[in-house]
Amino acid sequence: AQKITQTQPGMFVQEKEAVTLDCTYDTSDPSYGLFWYKQPSSGEMIFLIYQGSYDQQNATEGRYSLNFQKARKSANLVISASQLGDSAMYFCAFGGNNRKLIWGLGTSLAVNP
Amino acid sequence: EAGVAQSPRYKIIEKRQSVAFWCNPISGHATLYWYQQILGQGPKLLIQFQNNGVVDDSQLPKDRFSAERLKGVDSTLKIQPAKLEDSAVYLCASSLVGDTQYFGPGTRLTVL
Repeated sequence: AQKITQTQPGMFVQEKEAVTLDCTYDTSDPSYGLFWYKQPSSGEMIFLIYQGSYDQQNATEGRYSLNFQKARKSANLVISASQLGDSAMYFCAFGGNNRKLIWGLGTSLAVNP
Repeated sequence: EAGVAQSPRYKIIEKRQSVAFWCNPISGHATLYWYQQILGQGPKLLIQFQNNGVVDDSQLPKDRFSAERLKGVDSTLKIQPAKLEDSAVYLCASSLVGDTQYFGPGTRLTVL
């Protein structure tokens, strides 16, 4: 069965610094996708970035990049130049062949001024 | 392009009362999802529609929860009667078939 693990319940980062949020997964599916979402205190789940298992390059979207290491089954989110507005919960999600998402427990990120 | 719309944003009810949530997906998105997110947890899929057919409702507590998507566009999720443990954020998401899910702002339900 697929499984997603986010080992960091909470993280702190100084404004303007980079931060890495960890995500590991377990699957035997040959084709799958990894998703990262941001959830501010307002409650909305905001899509950030996607990595497909067959993508040759790591995904990037503005200040977000995904450090995808397929052999290690990890898909860590890197946020560069942190901003105060980045303070939120961050969820990693796995989508298998049926595209049903399996969610991690999330990491709470606090950006300090 | 308009995002996923949900209403109401907040709802407070007493246990044993009924409540309904409404969702309008992104235009053209055939797949619609309802999730329940309890504080401190990731979202839990309640039901998935493709057009107006149910794809997955294996985690929907059918004795009290119901959902419909009659015309394959907007959807309603109902709880009747509500229990204290139903207090959660109810998230609606939509996607093209097999593609990334985009979420609405959510409805925060408090059951007293």
